[in-house]
Amino acid sequence: ETGVTQSPTHLIKTRGQQVTLRCSSQSGHNTVSWYQQALGQGPQFIFQYYREEENGRGNFPPRFSGLQFPNYSSELNVNALELDDSALYLCASSLETGAHEQYFGPGTRLTVT
Amino acid sequence: KQEVTQIPAALSVPEGENLVLNCSFTDSAIYNLQWFRQDPGKGLTSLLLIQSSQREQTSGRLNASLDKSSGRSTLYIAASQPGDSATYLCAARFYNNNDMRFGAGTRLTVKP
Repeated sequence: ETGVTQSPTHLIKTRGQQVTLRCSSQSGHNTVSWYQQALGQGPQFIFQYYREEENGRGNFPPRFSGLQFPNYSSELNVNALELDDSALYLCASSLETGAHEQYFGPGTRLTVT
Repeated sequence: KQEVTQIPAALSVPEGENLVLNCSFTDSAIYNLQWFRQDPGKGLTSLLLIQSSQREQTSGRLNASLDKSSGRSTLYIAASQPGDSATYLCAARFYNNNDMRFGAGTRLTVKP
């Protein structure tokens, strides 16, 4: 059984550009959540996808968007990058929504210059 | 507002000491509470998950407790080791929300 994987590991972008981050869920998990973690802070919830539909969203602007595919892998897209978007982006998968344990990937470190 | 707080922000102890990390939350209507470990620049490793119907969970030298009425959880680490040095995060899943609310973490240093 493979764990949650994310790609790329590190990424450097310029302000105004667009970026796509990818996440592969743990086998059998149909729910994926994305979080942004700024340096020295706890992760902040961006959104959750359940069976390919958005299932909740945190306080992030619409330029943060996502997709979940039939195999339950997921993408996070960020348009019009800003310097404050520099952070560690984490995805987490779980068996279902609700009270199930979440399993996190290693994260993607995004730097916006 | 549903918030999670961790105090202290940093803690340094000598090797072998038993220690307690604290987590408080503002709403007692939680599904569960999860403790994580995070090494510098890395992802989160789940340590313990306590469902709302449980009072505590144990794994090796770790014991986590949950008191919904007081809005508190503690993570007890027995016989600390230098390898325990990391940031420890707690996160609560509240009713009527699909996300986990995280504290800012406690950065633990265990000195040899």
